[in-house]
Amino acid sequence: NAGVMQNPRHLVRRRGQEARLRCSPMKGHSHVYWYRQLPEEGLKFMVYLQKENIIDESGMPKERFSAEFPKEGPSILRIQQVVRGDSAAYFCASSPAATNEKLFFGSGTQLSVL
Amino acid sequence: AQSVTQPDIHITVSEGASLELRCNYSYGATPYLFWYVQSPGQGLQLLLKYFSGDTLVQGIKGFEAEFKRSQSSFNLRKPSVHWSDAAEYFCAVGPQVGAGTALIFGKGTTLSVSS
Repeated sequence: NAGVMQNPRHLVRRRGQEARLRCSPMKGHSHVYWYRQLPEEGLKFMVYLQKENIIDESGMPKERFSAEFPKEGPSILRIQQVVRGDSAAYFCASSPAATNEKLFFGSGTQLSVL
Repeated sequence: AQSVTQPDIHITVSEGASLELRCNYSYGATPYLFWYVQSPGQGLQLLLKYFSGDTLVQGIKGFEAEFKRSQSSFNLRKPSVHWSDAAEYFCAVGPQVGAGTALIFGKGTTLSVSS
């Protein structure tokens, strides 16, 4: 039973480019959460999705950031026109239900913006 | 405001010595509390969690934590630290169920283990 899979592990982009981060939840999990970890900071919640629906995006920046979790395929966090301040580790977590009791985290994607 | 405070940014402990990492929280509803560990370049691994019942909870790798409602604390302890415990530790609080089940994390405590 594979865990939460995130790819790529490392992503380098130049300012103004687009970044696409993928998250495949654990088998049987239909709830996905994205968190961002800035240097020397704890994780900050960004968005919570359930299959095909955004449930809570209160932590998502209003511009340039979007997320989706289609019926088929992984969840995607998309950052348009990246800036240096977007450099961070982005973690995905999945759960089989709307509960934190069975939340599992992926290994993260380290985004570096040059 | 809901928040988690981990007062110690960095702690160094000798191998074999005991460890206590502090965590204080501010949360309006009944808190559900977690400790995660993050090794360099890795994701977060759940050490233990408290939802209800016995306020002393046991976790993996010999860790335990005690929930003290009166002090709004959930400190992590280990009686004898091993070199492999060197990592970053995060305390988190959140609701168990419902929409917006986002966790609120502290800034973390980095544990170094000296020989």
